[in-house]
Amino acid sequence: NAGVTQTPKFQVLKTGQSMTLQCAQDMNHEYMSWYRQDPGMGLRLIHYSVGAGITDQGEVPNGYNVSRSTTEDFPLRLLSAAPSQTSVYFCASSYSTTAFGTEAFFGQGTRLTVV
Amino acid sequence: EDQVTQSPEALRLQEGESSSLNCSYTVSGLRGLFWYRQDPGKGPEFLFTLYSAGEEKEKERLKATLTKKESFLHITAPKPEDSATYLCAVQAFGSQGNLIFGKGTKLSVKP
Repeated sequence: NAGVTQTPKFQVLKTGQSMTLQCAQDMNHEYMSWYRQDPGMGLRLIHYSVGAGITDQGEVPNGYNVSRSTTEDFPLRLLSAAPSQTSVYFCASSYSTTAFGTEAFFGQGTRLTVV
Repeated sequence: EDQVTQSPEALRLQEGESSSLNCSYTVSGLRGLFWYRQDPGKGPEFLFTLYSAGEEKEKERLKATLTKKESFLHITAPKPEDSATYLCAVQAFGSQGNLIFGKGTKLSVKP
Protein backbone atom coordinates (compact mmCIF):
# COMPACT_ATOMS: atom_id res chain seq x y z
CA ASN A 1 0.00 0.00 0.00
CA ALA A 2 1.18 3.51 -0.85
CA GLY A 3 -0.70 5.04 2.12
CA VAL A 4 -1.14 8.81 1.82
CA THR A 5 0.50 10.38 -1.21
CA GLN A 6 1.04 14.10 -1.60
CA THR A 7 2.19 16.01 -4.67
CA PRO A 8 4.18 18.08 -5.30
CA LYS A 9 6.89 17.75 -2.63
CA PHE A 10 8.18 21.28 -3.21
CA GLN A 11 6.58 24.35 -4.79
CA VAL A 12 7.48 28.01 -5.17
CA LEU A 13 4.66 30.42 -5.98
CA LYS A 14 4.47 34.12 -6.63
CA THR A 15 2.11 36.21 -4.56
CA GLY A 16 -1.37 36.09 -6.08
CA GLN A 17 -0.91 32.82 -7.94
CA SER A 18 -3.23 29.91 -7.32
CA MET A 19 -2.41 26.23 -7.12
CA THR A 20 -3.72 22.88 -5.94
CA LEU A 21 -1.95 20.55 -3.57
CA GLN A 22 -2.90 16.97 -4.29
CA CYS A 23 -3.58 14.26 -1.70
CA ALA A 24 -4.61 10.68 -2.34
CA GLN A 25 -5.01 7.70 -0.02
CA ASP A 26 -5.49 4.06 -0.92
CA MET A 27 -6.64 2.75 2.48
CA ASN A 28 -10.38 3.42 2.02
CA HIS A 29 -10.28 5.87 4.92
CA GLU A 30 -13.38 7.95 5.47
CA TYR A 31 -11.66 10.87 7.20
CA MET A 32 -9.13 13.14 5.50
CA SER A 33 -7.61 16.40 6.60
CA TRP A 34 -5.06 19.08 5.79
CA TYR A 35 -2.64 20.58 8.31
CA ARG A 36 0.02 23.21 8.04
CA GLN A 37 3.19 23.14 10.09
CA ASP A 38 5.07 26.30 10.92
CA PRO A 39 8.13 26.73 13.15
CA GLY A 40 7.11 27.15 16.77
CA MET A 41 3.41 26.70 15.97
CA GLY A 42 2.89 22.99 15.74
CA LEU A 43 0.46 21.39 13.31
CA ARG A 44 -2.75 23.33 12.72
CA LEU A 45 -5.87 22.01 11.02
CA ILE A 46 -6.94 23.79 7.82
CA HIS A 47 -9.88 21.76 6.46
CA TYR A 48 -11.19 18.27 6.93
CA SER A 49 -13.65 15.81 5.42
CA VAL A 50 -15.57 12.98 7.05
CA GLY A 51 -16.57 11.44 3.75
CA ALA A 52 -17.08 12.05 0.04
CA GLY A 53 -19.08 15.22 -0.53
CA ILE A 54 -18.64 16.45 3.07
CA THR A 55 -16.05 19.06 4.06
CA ASP A 56 -15.67 21.52 6.91
CA GLN A 57 -13.31 24.17 8.20
CA GLY A 58 -10.60 23.68 10.75
CA GLU A 59 -8.64 26.18 12.82
CA VAL A 60 -6.99 28.14 9.97
CA PRO A 61 -9.18 27.88 6.82
CA ASN A 62 -8.83 31.38 5.35
CA GLY A 63 -7.28 31.44 1.89
CA TYR A 64 -7.82 27.74 1.28
CA ASN A 65 -10.53 25.72 -0.40
CA VAL A 66 -11.19 21.97 -0.47
CA SER A 67 -13.53 19.48 -2.09
CA ARG A 68 -13.97 15.73 -1.79
CA SER A 69 -15.59 14.14 -4.80
CA THR A 70 -14.17 10.66 -4.13
CA THR A 71 -13.13 8.72 -1.02
CA GLU A 72 -9.54 8.62 -2.23
CA ASP A 73 -8.76 12.24 -3.10
CA PHE A 74 -8.77 15.45 -1.07
CA PRO A 75 -7.11 18.36 -2.91
CA LEU A 76 -6.28 21.65 -1.20
CA ARG A 77 -6.57 24.80 -3.27
CA LEU A 78 -4.78 28.05 -2.59
CA LEU A 79 -6.95 30.70 -4.14
CA SER A 80 -4.51 33.64 -4.20
CA ALA A 81 -1.20 32.80 -2.57
CA ALA A 82 0.22 35.10 0.10
CA PRO A 83 3.64 35.03 1.81
CA SER A 84 1.84 34.08 5.06
CA GLN A 85 0.95 30.77 3.40
CA THR A 86 4.61 29.78 3.21
CA SER A 87 4.59 26.57 5.22
CA VAL A 88 4.82 22.80 5.10
CA TYR A 89 1.47 21.19 4.33
CA PHE A 90 0.49 17.71 5.43
CA CYS A 91 -2.45 15.63 4.37
CA ALA A 92 -3.69 12.93 6.74
CA SER A 93 -6.31 10.21 6.72
CA SER A 94 -7.87 7.89 9.26
CA TYR A 95 -10.21 4.92 9.13
CA SER A 96 -12.84 6.18 11.49
CA THR A 97 -13.94 9.31 13.26
CA THR A 98 -16.29 7.85 15.80
CA ALA A 99 -14.73 4.68 17.12
CA PHE A 100 -11.42 2.98 17.62
CA GLY A 101 -9.09 3.28 14.66
CA THR A 102 -9.06 7.04 14.61
CA GLU A 103 -5.28 7.36 14.43
CA ALA A 104 -4.26 9.54 11.51
CA PHE A 105 -1.69 8.58 8.90
CA PHE A 106 0.22 11.39 7.27
CA GLY A 107 1.71 12.03 3.87
CA GLN A 108 5.28 13.18 3.37
CA GLY A 109 4.36 16.83 3.07
CA THR A 110 4.50 19.66 0.54
CA ARG A 111 6.95 22.45 1.26
CA LEU A 112 5.44 25.65 -0.18
CA THR A 113 7.22 28.97 -0.50
CA VAL A 114 5.33 32.08 -1.57
CA VAL A 115 7.53 34.95 -2.75
CA GLU B 1 -10.36 25.55 25.05
CA ASP B 2 -8.72 22.24 24.18
CA GLN B 3 -4.95 22.44 24.21
CA VAL B 4 -1.77 20.37 24.40
CA THR B 5 1.54 21.40 25.95
CA GLN B 6 4.71 19.38 25.49
CA SER B 7 7.86 19.63 27.54
CA PRO B 8 10.73 20.00 27.27
CA GLU B 9 10.98 21.70 23.87
CA ALA B 10 14.33 20.01 23.30
CA LEU B 11 16.15 17.17 25.03
CA ARG B 12 19.70 16.02 24.55
CA LEU B 13 20.63 12.56 25.82
CA GLN B 14 23.65 10.36 25.69
CA GLU B 15 23.15 6.95 24.16
CA GLY B 16 21.77 4.67 26.86
CA GLU B 17 20.55 7.54 29.07
CA SER B 18 16.85 6.92 29.75
CA SER B 19 14.39 9.81 30.08
CA SER B 20 10.77 10.88 29.64
CA LEU B 21 8.88 13.36 27.51
CA ASN B 22 5.77 15.02 28.89
CA CYS B 23 2.47 15.89 27.22
CA SER B 24 -0.05 17.83 29.31
CA TYR B 25 -3.52 18.26 27.90
CA THR B 26 -6.79 20.02 28.50
CA VAL B 27 -9.72 18.59 26.59
CA SER B 28 -13.46 18.59 27.12
CA GLY B 29 -13.74 14.85 26.73
CA LEU B 30 -10.78 12.72 25.66
CA ARG B 31 -11.46 10.21 22.92
CA GLY B 32 -7.79 9.44 22.36
CA LEU B 33 -4.25 10.67 22.85
CA PHE B 34 -1.73 10.01 20.10
CA TRP B 35 2.04 9.99 19.92
CA TYR B 36 3.86 10.55 16.65
CA ARG B 37 7.50 10.62 15.61
CA GLN B 38 8.62 13.10 12.97
CA ASP B 39 11.98 12.97 11.22
CA PRO B 40 13.32 16.08 9.41
CA GLY B 41 11.61 16.59 6.07
CA LYS B 42 9.10 13.79 6.70
CA GLY B 43 5.51 13.50 7.76
CA PRO B 44 4.55 12.43 11.30
CA GLU B 45 4.71 8.68 11.82
CA PHE B 46 2.11 7.14 14.11
CA LEU B 47 3.45 5.47 17.26
CA PHE B 48 0.70 4.94 19.85
CA THR B 49 -2.91 5.60 20.74
CA LEU B 50 -4.02 5.75 24.38
CA TYR B 51 -7.70 5.89 25.26
CA SER B 52 -8.06 5.84 29.02
CA ALA B 53 -6.16 6.75 32.17
CA GLY B 54 -3.88 3.97 33.30
CA GLU B 55 -3.35 2.59 29.83
CA GLU B 56 0.20 1.83 28.66
CA LYS B 57 1.60 0.93 25.24
CA GLU B 58 5.12 -0.22 24.37
CA LYS B 59 7.16 -0.44 21.20
CA GLU B 60 10.83 -1.32 21.31
CA ARG B 61 12.52 1.30 23.55
CA LEU B 62 9.39 3.46 23.82
CA LYS B 63 6.61 3.24 26.37
CA ALA B 64 3.65 5.60 26.51
CA THR B 65 1.48 6.10 29.58
CA LEU B 66 -1.66 8.12 30.24
CA THR B 67 -3.21 9.83 33.23
CA LYS B 68 -6.26 12.09 33.35
CA LYS B 69 -4.16 15.19 32.69
CA GLU B 70 -0.95 14.09 31.00
CA SER B 71 0.90 11.47 29.06
CA PHE B 72 4.51 10.43 29.22
CA LEU B 73 6.69 8.93 26.54
CA HIS B 74 9.43 7.00 28.29
CA ILE B 75 12.56 6.24 26.29
CA THR B 76 14.69 3.44 27.71
CA ALA B 77 18.35 3.18 26.74
CA PRO B 78 17.94 5.37 23.66
CA LYS B 79 20.04 5.00 20.53
CA PRO B 80 21.08 7.71 18.05
CA GLU B 81 18.39 6.49 15.65
CA ASP B 82 15.75 7.55 18.19
CA SER B 83 16.67 11.16 17.46
CA ALA B 84 13.55 12.88 16.09
CA THR B 85 10.79 15.25 17.08
CA TYR B 86 8.05 13.56 19.08
CA LEU B 87 4.56 14.98 18.73
CA CYS B 88 1.60 14.52 21.04
CA ALA B 89 -2.00 15.08 19.90
CA VAL B 90 -5.43 14.73 21.45
CA GLN B 91 -8.80 14.03 19.95
CA ALA B 92 -11.96 15.07 21.73
CA PHE B 93 -15.37 13.47 21.62
CA GLY B 94 -17.49 15.35 19.11
CA SER B 95 -14.43 16.63 17.23
CA GLN B 96 -15.17 14.54 14.15
CA GLY B 97 -11.68 13.09 14.20
CA ASN B 98 -9.78 16.35 14.36
CA LEU B 99 -6.47 16.38 16.20
CA ILE B 100 -5.00 19.09 18.42
CA PHE B 101 -1.22 18.93 18.42
CA GLY B 102 1.42 20.07 20.83
CA LYS B 103 4.52 21.80 19.50
CA GLY B 104 6.68 18.74 19.96
CA THR B 105 9.85 17.73 21.76
CA LYS B 106 13.02 17.55 19.70
CA LEU B 107 15.11 14.63 20.97
CA SER B 108 18.80 14.31 20.17
CA VAL B 109 20.67 11.19 21.21
CA LYS B 110 24.45 11.39 21.00
CA PRO B 111 26.63 8.28 20.68
